[in-house]
Amino acid sequence: DQQVKQNSPSLSVQEGRISILNCDYTNSMFDYFLWYKKYPAEGPTFLISISSIKDKNEDGRFTVFLNKSAKHLSLHIVPSQPGDSAVYFCAASAAGSNYQLIWGAGTKLIIKP
Amino acid sequence: GAVVSQHPSRVICKSGTSVKIECRSLDFQATTMFWYRQFPKQSLMLMATSNEGSKATYEQGVEKDKFLINHASLTLSTLTVTSAHPEDSSFYICSAQNYRGLAEKLFFGSGTQLSVL
Repeated sequence: DQQVKQNSPSLSVQEGRISILNCDYTNSMFDYFLWYKKYPAEGPTFLISISSIKDKNEDGRFTVFLNKSAKHLSLHIVPSQPGDSAVYFCAASAAGSNYQLIWGAGTKLIIKP
Repeated sequence: GAVVSQHPSRVICKSGTSVKIECRSLDFQATTMFWYRQFPKQSLMLMATSNEGSKATYEQGVEKDKFLINHASLTLSTLTVTSAHPEDSSFYICSAQNYRGLAEKLFFGSGTQLSVL
């Protein structure tokens, strides 16, 4: 049973437009959510996170939105740049175990010039 | 930034052989290291948590006798896949943590693609 789901295996967006990556979860005990970015032949790197006490967190071009009632979070990238082409992983953790991450399967983002 | 080196990046071996994968934190001491496995189009799955100087904690369903983890120093953890079989073919990735409790402080190796013939 997948507790964290990224239903879109890939997404193609025009350069300069907004990229929206979605993530759904089933475990109501999750209280911390993270997005990681992964380039080919490299490990994931941390991008942005959000605590369940917030519904939005912004860092430059990246904004994460959390809808607890819908158990849904999304990552917005605006404007999208060619260097944003990568696989994006959504991860979640329950209270007291920030490093015990439950991962989504990833969404491959392709930014078209 | 912090660097985690993982070797080898790719290994092909015959069924029944053992394969050792190394994970090194190059510029920080990692009190905790983690080993993950990822099958194509699936999530990263945590296999085990390795603390320096103590036995690894394995996740449910992961055979500790098959996946031997040694975290002998604060900068090195090794994963040995013993008597590898084709079903062990997967992408293995390690991560190291240099600050307890913060998932943002996880740094990942580049992964090892294991193919067992």
